[in-house]
Amino acid sequence: DQQVKQNSPSLSVQEGRISILNCDYTNSMFDYFLWYKKYPAEGPTFLISISSIKDKNEDGRFTVFLNKSAKHLSLHIVPSQPGDSAVYFCAASAGGGATNKLIFGTGTLLAVQP
Amino acid sequence: KAGVTQTPRYLIKTRGQQVTLSCSPISGHRSVSWYQQTPGQGLQFLFEYFSETQRNKGNFPGRFSGRQFSNSRSEMNVSTLELGDSALYLCASSSLQGSYEQYFGPGTRLTVT
Repeated sequence: DQQVKQNSPSLSVQEGRISILNCDYTNSMFDYFLWYKKYPAEGPTFLISISSIKDKNEDGRFTVFLNKSAKHLSLHIVPSQPGDSAVYFCAASAGGGATNKLIFGTGTLLAVQP
Repeated sequence: KAGVTQTPRYLIKTRGQQVTLSCSPISGHRSVSWYQQTPGQGLQFLFEYFSETQRNKGNFPGRFSGRQFSNSRSEMNVSTLELGDSALYLCASSSLQGSYEQYFGPGTRLTVT
């Protein structure tokens, strides 16, 4: 049972435009959500996170939105740059701060075209 | 600060053999988690260690085991390898238990033939 779902395996966007990556979850016990970026032959790197008590978190060009009633979160990248081309993973935790266990989605491959 | 290191980076084994993978966390980090990444499945949680104790275990068969040493380095072992064990095995470290921000190593690519 996939508790965290990324239904779009890939996304192509023009440089300078907005990239929107989506993630849905089923477990209402998740209390923290994260986005990781992964380049080929490297491990995932942390991008941005959001607590379940918030609905928005911004960090530079990256903004994460959380809609708890819809069990949906999204990552917005504005403006998109070619260096953003990577696989993006959505992850969630239900640990309440007691565990580092993360449940990951299957990833979305973002391609930013120059 | 050096990042998370994993050895070996690539490994080819035969069905039925066993394998040991190693992970050295970032200096000062006491928590180590392991994940398996296969195509189409994303990252699946294997186990989590903190101060040499296993704190959490994912839904994997008993052939998958791990341990953590007093210097926080961790190893995972897979016995009686199956073709389906072919995957990228990722190790992540963090400074605290319950710290959501984890730092991943580059992974060990295991191929079982």
